[in-house]
Amino acid sequence: DTAVSQTPKYLVTQMGNDKSIKCEQNLGHDTMYWYKQDSKKFLKIMFSYNNKELIINETVPNRFSPKSPDKAHLNLHINSLELGDSAVYFCASSQDIQGFLPATNEKLFFGSGTQLSVL
Amino acid sequence: GQQVMQIPQYQHVQEGEDFTTYCNSSTTLSNIQWYKQRPGGHPVFLIQLVKSGEVKKQKRLTFQFGEAKKNSSLHITATQTTDVGTYFCAGPGDFNKFYFGSGTKLNVKP
Repeated sequence: DTAVSQTPKYLVTQMGNDKSIKCEQNLGHDTMYWYKQDSKKFLKIMFSYNNKELIINETVPNRFSPKSPDKAHLNLHINSLELGDSAVYFCASSQDIQGFLPATNEKLFFGSGTQLSVL
Repeated sequence: GQQVMQIPQYQHVQEGEDFTTYCNSSTTLSNIQWYKQRPGGHPVFLIQLVKSGEVKKQKRLTFQFGEAKKNSSLHITATQTTDVGTYFCAGPGDFNKFYFGSGTKLNVKP
């Protein structure tokens, strides 16, 4: 069974459209994240949720709205897509908030990514 | 902003040569992690270093954490084509955010 699964794997859409990416983890983790990886491979955190509560919102345009119906799911909805939104979006999870308990092994488990192409 | 700097950006080696990537932080890190991302894949956790001066080995990979806990390195001995990918260091920054380095893309020529 895949630990962190996200769908779809590929998403091709037109500018101005609204789209969603879904993520689910079966690891029993309390914290989930969305990361954006651009064409230069920079990995940048967008959001993190701990037990359904928003913890980090890293200066992301409000066109991006995460939703966590329960601690095993974290979805990402994007309104009015722009060309600059094209990237690979990774969902990830960890047992607790990364960096919050530095002495513990709070490694991140990543989903396989969603490659978003906005035309 | 970004807390962790990583060099080099790219490294091309002949199979059998060694490879090293370096990670530097302007502030003391409580811990540092390393991840590997294969082409077309997702980052996969390799290791975490916590103690000052810590050295850990995984087969041909050697990870070091600096004495001041501001830098770290990953060294691969005798690279193989299976080592191809991008290697990221990552460490905690302000407000409990976890920052990834810019990554070092390793290409190994057979």
